[in-house]
Amino acid sequence: DADVTQTPRNRITKTGKRIMLECSQTKGHDRMYWYRQDPGLGLRLIYYSFDVKDINKGEISDGYSVSRQAQAKFSLSLESAIPNQTALYFCATSARHREVGELFFGEGSRLTVL
Amino acid sequence: GQNIDQPTEMTATEGAIVQINCTYQTSGFNGLFWYQQHAGEAPTFLSYNVLDGLEEKGRFSSFLSRSKGYSYLLLKELQMKDSASYLCAPMDSNYQLIWGAGTKLIIKP
Repeated sequence: DADVTQTPRNRITKTGKRIMLECSQTKGHDRMYWYRQDPGLGLRLIYYSFDVKDINKGEISDGYSVSRQAQAKFSLSLESAIPNQTALYFCATSARHREVGELFFGEGSRLTVL
Repeated sequence: GQNIDQPTEMTATEGAIVQINCTYQTSGFNGLFWYQQHAGEAPTFLSYNVLDGLEEKGRFSSFLSRSKGYSYLLLKELQMKDSASYLCAPMDSNYQLIWGAGTKLIIKP
């Protein structure tokens, strides 16, 4: 089983619908992240969480919200999806200190908003 | 601002050596990471440099010059499975990774 699991892996939805992407991890890491990836662009950070009570906005948080339900679970919500949120979304985890930049990614969730 | 510059695409021959360059400008610096990403898959960690010099790990090596804001990833004895995108990601003063768009490496027989 994967250490970082994302669900769903693929989703097609319509403009205005609420969507939730879920992420769970078995690595025991405190830090969790949500990124989106678009063709020709680097990974862009949406939100990150250093522990259950610490949630921070990334560079492109508008239109998104997150919930850290437990150390192992971090979900991303699109309250009212729009077509330019069509992208590949990755959840990632990392340990503290020196290893903080070594991210472990889930397999990705491909979202299409029509 | 923060900026990462790496070539969009490179082509190399199986068995050869290729060097992928990355220049960066960040607000503070806490090391530089290289990741490999096969098409349709998640990125995976390759290497980490925090001090100047070369770090070698099997067929892959990574070099860093902090004063020049420059790094490269060197891949030796190229194999077809090395066809992937290679992402350069320096870490800024807030310990956040700043991601380049990646270099797509195509390996030809």
